[in-house]
Amino acid sequence: GENVEQHPSTLSVQEGDSAVIKCTYSDSASNYFPWYKQELGKRPQLIIDIRSNVGEKKDQRIAVTLNKTAKHFSLHITETQPEDSAVYFCAAQNYGGSQGNLIFGKGTKLSVKP
Amino acid sequence: EAQVTQNPRYLITVTGKKLTVTCSQNMNHEYMSWYRQDPGLGLRQIYYSMNVEVTDKGDVPEGYKVSRKEKRNFPLILESPSPNQTSLYFCASRSPVRVNEQFFGPGTRLTVL
Repeated sequence: GENVEQHPSTLSVQEGDSAVIKCTYSDSASNYFPWYKQELGKRPQLIIDIRSNVGEKKDQRIAVTLNKTAKHFSLHITETQPEDSAVYFCAAQNYGGSQGNLIFGKGTKLSVKP
Repeated sequence: EAQVTQNPRYLITVTGKKLTVTCSQNMNHEYMSWYRQDPGLGLRQIYYSMNVEVTDKGDVPEGYKVSRKEKRNFPLILESPSPNQTSLYFCASRSPVRVNEQFFGPGTRLTVL
């Protein structure tokens, strides 16, 4: 089955700096890669996703890149702000598969210091 | 408003006392699942359901049961809770027929004494 590794587990940056979180996956059949943000005491919420036919996707200060050959994908946050502080989860899914389960990484706690 | 709801939001109980955490979604999603979240371990799937009367084990199903008698509801049952089931639980739903966002419920914080 699919296995998703996420690094680093914690990340501390100064406000205005960039943050990068990396994930690797094991199942080459995975074709959908969402990122979820979980603020303290809240539920995870989707912030950006990418499909396997795309190499990069951007939404304002957030971007995701995908390298299918190497089976890794990354979240990039530019010009970080204190409200970006949260736990971020990557996930991988084979949405055409029989189960289509989302497999999550263990999460990265991002702290943005003002 | 499209949403996933869970009840209760907080529960403190004692070892061995059966409990049920309810989950309901109003988006007509076929796929529903339960996760537990523990520090350093991320979101681990307990059970999932592809549709009514179709359920299957996730990664950590021991000590849990589920049922899916109606499309909108997917309760999580702990027949005999133990302290190692103290955790934050999330229900989630999505449509499996196409790429789509998975919506999470607000979470249930369970403490088993």
